[in-house]
Amino acid sequence: QGQLVQSGAEVKKPGSSVKVSCKASGGNFNSNAISWVRQAPGQGLEWMGGIIPFFGLTNYTQKFQGRVTITADRSTSTTYMELSRLKSDDTAIYYCCSGYDSNWLDPWGQGTLVIVSS
Amino acid sequence: EIVLTQSPDTLSLSPGERATLSCRASQSVGSNDLAWYQQKPGQAPRLLIFAASSRATGIPDRFSGSGSGTDFTLTISRLEPEDFAVYYCQQYGSSPITFGQGTRLDIK
Repeated sequence: QGQLVQSGAEVKKPGSSVKVSCKASGGNFNSNAISWVRQAPGQGLEWMGGIIPFFGLTNYTQKFQGRVTITADRSTSTTYMELSRLKSDDTAIYYCCSGYDSNWLDPWGQGTLVIVSS
Repeated sequence: EIVLTQSPDTLSLSPGERATLSCRASQSVGSNDLAWYQQKPGQAPRLLIFAASSRATGIPDRFSGSGSGTDFTLTISRLEPEDFAVYYCQQYGSSPITFGQGTRLDIK
């Protein structure tokens, strides 16, 4: 089974964008799907969307439609999640995990803390 | 989207006791496509159960899942100190994926 390693913490201003990376090692990355899940401080888990890199297929939950873009670079086994027009309530830990919207999610990356503050 | 409601919000038990956590769906979860995760402070969630009752690799057999349709249960037969954590259910039978709000399992 593969391992997912995410980029480091970010501090962003309201209205800006953030791009978080998730690199897969081991496993069969090209046939796997990657989802992004976020967790606000002290809160539960929220699925944002996912990608199947081999087909370039993406699916986003309605809440984030138009504000989130998930892409993949198959040559480096890396998936990216970009969230634009950041607001203070986007402050959260963002996790990547293997799986799509018709799967359980396993394994998970270590999480990336994004703080949105003026 | 399917709304998952977990109960109780907090469960206080002692090591060695049996824990029963509930997850109720607002509509039937197709093909019993329901998973359970454990999350400890400062850590990512860890998959425990998928397909309602199948244990993930490396998960001790004191963890078991059951249920179908709209009612699902995670049972921990005999609590170990390392089991005190937050538990989430997740359905993946209908897009989008949704999670329950979590049950916190505390040491009594």
